[in-house]
This record gives sequence, structure tokens and C-alpha cells, in this order.
Amino acid sequence: EVQLLESGGGLVQPGGSLRLSCAASGFIFSNYAMSWVRQAPGKGLEWVSTIGTGGVNTHYADSVKGRFTISRDNSKDTLYLQMNSLGAEDTAVYYCAKKGAITPRPGDFDFWGQGTLVTVSS
Amino acid sequence: DIQMTQSPSAMSASVGDRVTITCRASQGISNYLAWFQQKPGKVPKRLIYAASSLMSGVPSRFSGSGSGTEFTLTISSLQPEDFATYYCLQHNSYPLTFGGGTKVGIK
Repeated sequence: EVQLLESGGGLVQPGGSLRLSCAASGFIFSNYAMSWVRQAPGKGLEWVSTIGTGGVNTHYADSVKGRFTISRDNSKDTLYLQMNSLGAEDTAVYYCAKKGAITPRPGDFDFWGQGTLVTVSS
Repeated sequence: DIQMTQSPSAMSASVGDRVTITCRASQGISNYLAWFQQKPGKVPKRLIYAASSLMSGVPSRFSGSGSGTEFTLTISSLQPEDFATYYCLQHNSYPLTFGGGTKVGIK
């Protein structure tokens, strides 16, 4: 059974930093690209970032480019999101999501974690 | 960037109704489209991938169609557990983009 368990969310002041983690199990983690998707309170879904299987290929939404860094540790089956220079607009539930297929193209998401809430406020 | 325009943004329907939700892409995305269902306070759940393939375990009353720029999610006979918000996602190219969502409420 695929499981994705996020952690690291919480309350942070504007301008601060936070590192999210997503522990994966139930599948061969190193075979799949992984992503972060967020959802601001009462709003829709927003793709944040994707990382390829080897950790080299990364993609970011313009809204986070230069501030967020996605990474992974395949030896620990864990995905990360380092978030710097946080602003109120980054307040959201952050989900990690597994790519739905092993293909070279961008993929959608077949499994999602439960999410971790990040609140940016003074 | 590819924009995904989803319509309607909200609707009211009754149990047993046929429901159709549309997503339009600002440029062709072949069949690189997925549909997700999200209930309040819950995690999004994939219903349809590759525009028309049903995710394992999803009831057959859900179906997807379309290719290129126009896509449809159809619920053939709405059930009480289907009242939720539905999102489309294009994964033809980065940045990946979701539609704005369609909230299906009870009439």
C-alpha cells in the first residue's frame, strides 16, 4: 500500500524558512518522480514543484522559483521541500504526490499524502 | 504556460442527475489530462488519467473524454458521496496547471 507522510509544517514568521519532508513507502521510491502541490485555505490546487527520479531534474512554479528547493534522498525514501523567504501568500496545506507513471514526460499524481499545514504569520 | 479553464465553477444537482464538467486548455495537450475529486477536509483523489482511463476502484459512473483542448468529466448518475469539488490537471508540460475547480452541491 502506497503511503506518503508529510511533516515539518507549522507557524513561521514572514521572511522565515521551513523544511517539509515526505516519507514514502509501499512502492519503489527511486523509480518515480515526486511533486509538491499546495492548497491555500478555501482555494484551489496549485502545483509547486517536481523532482525527477535521480534528483537532478527539477521544476518549479514561478510563484516559488528562487525561494523553494525540492530535493530527495532515495536511500531514505524521502522527499523534501526547503522553503525560504516565506510570505503570507505561501500559507497553505502542502501535499506531496507521487507521479502516476514511469515515463519521461511530466506526469499527474496517483497518490497524495495527507498534507501538512504551513502558516506564515507574525 | 497552459491555462486550464474549468466550467462551471459551481453547480447544484440532485441524486440521480447526469453531471458534466468541462475543462478547456489554452493550447493542445493531447490526452495529458487527469481529473481529481476532493471532499471537504480530505485529500484529492485521482478519478481519471490520460483523459479517459478510470483509476482502479473508481465507480464506473465516472467517465472522462476529450483530447487536444477540450475535456469532459461526466458522472452518469450522481450519488450522495459524489458531492465534492472536482479539478482537472494538465500534465503535458511544465508548469503543471490545475483548473479552478467545480463544486458540485446538493440541489
